[in-house]
Amino acid sequence: KQEVTQIPAALSVPEGENLVLNCSFTDSAIYNLQWFRQDPGKGLTSLLLIQSSQREQTSGRLNASLDKSSGRSTLYIAASQPGDSATYLCAVYNFNKFYFGSGTKLNVKP
Amino acid sequence: GAVVSQHPSRVICKSGTSVKIECRSLDFQATTMFWYRQFPKQSLMLMATSNEGSKATYEQGVEKDKFLINHASLTLSTLTVTSAHPEDSSFYICSARDPWSSYNSPLHFGNGTRLTVT
Repeated sequence: KQEVTQIPAALSVPEGENLVLNCSFTDSAIYNLQWFRQDPGKGLTSLLLIQSSQREQTSGRLNASLDKSSGRSTLYIAASQPGDSATYLCAVYNFNKFYFGSGTKLNVKP
Repeated sequence: GAVVSQHPSRVICKSGTSVKIECRSLDFQATTMFWYRQFPKQSLMLMATSNEGSKATYEQGVEKDKFLINHASLTLSTLTVTSAHPEDSSFYICSARDPWSSYNSPLHFGNGTRLTVT
């Protein structure tokens, strides 16, 4: 069974800092990996999707990488802002299901 | 882009009553929708996969008689929590994906429903 782990569970940084969130998964036979943002009491907003054949995807200040062979993905956030404060979840798709990590709660201090 | 709408966003009910949560795909027809449950500070747990026109597929450990799923149309799936207990209090989220997209299209989520059973 696929297991997805996210480290760290929580992260607090000053505004302007660059940061990296980590996601690891146990089964490398995935179709894709998706990063989401979740604000308190809200649903999930898709940030980036990386196909299994891709190594990275970029959107604005966000860059996600994928190393399928080692079962790892990172989400890089450049020049963090207080508005980036949220919980970030990664999910992998295989066996016709999405498997989610438990998230990293990010706090960007003004 | 694709949008999934979930209603209500919050509901409070008494023990023993039933609560219905709706999930709608607004600009695409979703043959499959997914229902998740999220406990505080934990990840999403897939409860069931809702298939239009057929029975839902439940994950191991999820009581199908307690969590009734109906996917009667291509744009609407409902989750009914029957005989609600305080332990059913949780955050429920639905998701869907445009079936005409490939496996490599994003999964879209509703905004979730906070259920509190008193």
